[in-house]
Amino acid sequence: DTAVSQTPKYLVTQMGNDKSIKCEQNLGHDTMYWYKQDSKKFLKIMFSYNNKELIINETVPNRFSPKSPDKAHLNLHINSLELGDSAVYFCASSLTGPAYEQYFGPGTRLTVT
Amino acid sequence: KNQVEQSPQSLIILEGKNCTLQCNYTVSPFSNLRWYKQDTGRGPVSLTIMTFSENTKSNGRYTATLDADTKQSSLHITASQLSDSASYICVVSARIAAGNKLTFGGGTRVLVKP
Repeated sequence: DTAVSQTPKYLVTQMGNDKSIKCEQNLGHDTMYWYKQDSKKFLKIMFSYNNKELIINETVPNRFSPKSPDKAHLNLHINSLELGDSAVYFCASSLTGPAYEQYFGPGTRLTVT
Repeated sequence: KNQVEQSPQSLIILEGKNCTLQCNYTVSPFSNLRWYKQDTGRGPVSLTIMTFSENTKSNGRYTATLDADTKQSSLHITASQLSDSASYICVVSARIAAGNKLTFGGGTRVLVKP
């Protein structure tokens, strides 16, 4: 019954590999997000999707490609992983509108060696 | 450039005591300000959301204030409990053409000791 779920919770991989992180929400929200939290704990928006359409795309390397097969899912695929990609990645979802609360998933800790 | 600065970076308080966390922002055009609580190893959880016209909002023992003129906010924790140990993140939302964009502060780490 988890509202926003992510898999996997931990991901350890080598430089150059390609990996995916999956996110699903069962809240009936129509907007989903990916955030990156670096070692200094700052959270930064990466992407935002509304009804499966990309609406925010921050300055993120094009090695990162989000995919939204439907409103309840937003997956993140990362090509050619680099050491600097090591971080915690959070998925979130909300209803569309300026003051709706965002619900965050538990995070995926990615470690690139 | 939109920025959110929080102080202090970390704080240790005794159980039962009160504390106040500060947030200063330079975000425009301003839409709303949020406070989140993030437990270690978990995603942030929303505590309060305040729009321009609101200057105080409470959620249990948490009370947030907003001064939109000086662009400052505070989060007051009353009668702290051990479970309040967490990072508290101030987040300011800017209205953009595509919707709203959130800018996160670096958080204040609170440790409540018995």
